[in-house]
Amino acid sequence: GENVEQHPSTLSVQEGDSAVIKCTYSDSASNYFPWYKQELGKRPQLIIDIRSNVGEKKDQRIAVTLNKTAKHFSLHITETQPEDSAVYFCAASLAGNQFYFGTGTSLTVIP
Amino acid sequence: GAVVSQHPSRVICKSGTSVKIECRSLDFQATTMFWYRQFPKQSLMLMATSNEGSKATYEQGVEKDKFLINHASLTLSTLTVTSAHPEDSSFYICSAQIRTGGFNQPQHFGDGTRLSIL
Repeated sequence: GENVEQHPSTLSVQEGDSAVIKCTYSDSASNYFPWYKQELGKRPQLIIDIRSNVGEKKDQRIAVTLNKTAKHFSLHITETQPEDSAVYFCAASLAGNQFYFGTGTSLTVIP
Repeated sequence: GAVVSQHPSRVICKSGTSVKIECRSLDFQATTMFWYRQFPKQSLMLMATSNEGSKATYEQGVEKDKFLINHASLTLSTLTVTSAHPEDSSFYICSAQIRTGGFNQPQHFGDGTRLSIL
């Protein structure tokens, strides 16, 4: 089955700096890659997703890139703010069925 | 849109009690609902996939007689933890996928249920 690895496990950045979280996947057939943000004690919320027919997607300060050849995808957050502090999970899916989640990255934005 | 409601948010009960958790999609029809368990500071561990009108598919190592799942309609799935014991204490969270003709739809999560067995 699919195996998703996520790095780093923890990340601290100064407010205003950029943050990058990277994930790799093992199944070349995976074609859907969502990213979720989970604040402490709350539900994971979808922040951005990308399908395998595109290489990059951007939504305001958040962007995701996908390299199908290398089987990795990354989340980029620019101009970070304290409210960006949370745990971020990547996931890989084949045809949108079962999601295989990464182990999570705890992001802390220091004011 | 795409709101998922999960109840209760917290349960504290004695060992041996059965606990029922509900997951509802409020403004959409969900072909599939998923049940996860999340340990502190860890990722989401898929327990089972629930399809409306059919038996749930359980992940390896998850006891189907322990964690009963019912998906009676396109908007409701329930997880019942039978004869719960302290080791069942955890954060349980459901998600639902919108029913469409295409694939690659995101999962929308409920708020989770914090289960504590004394």
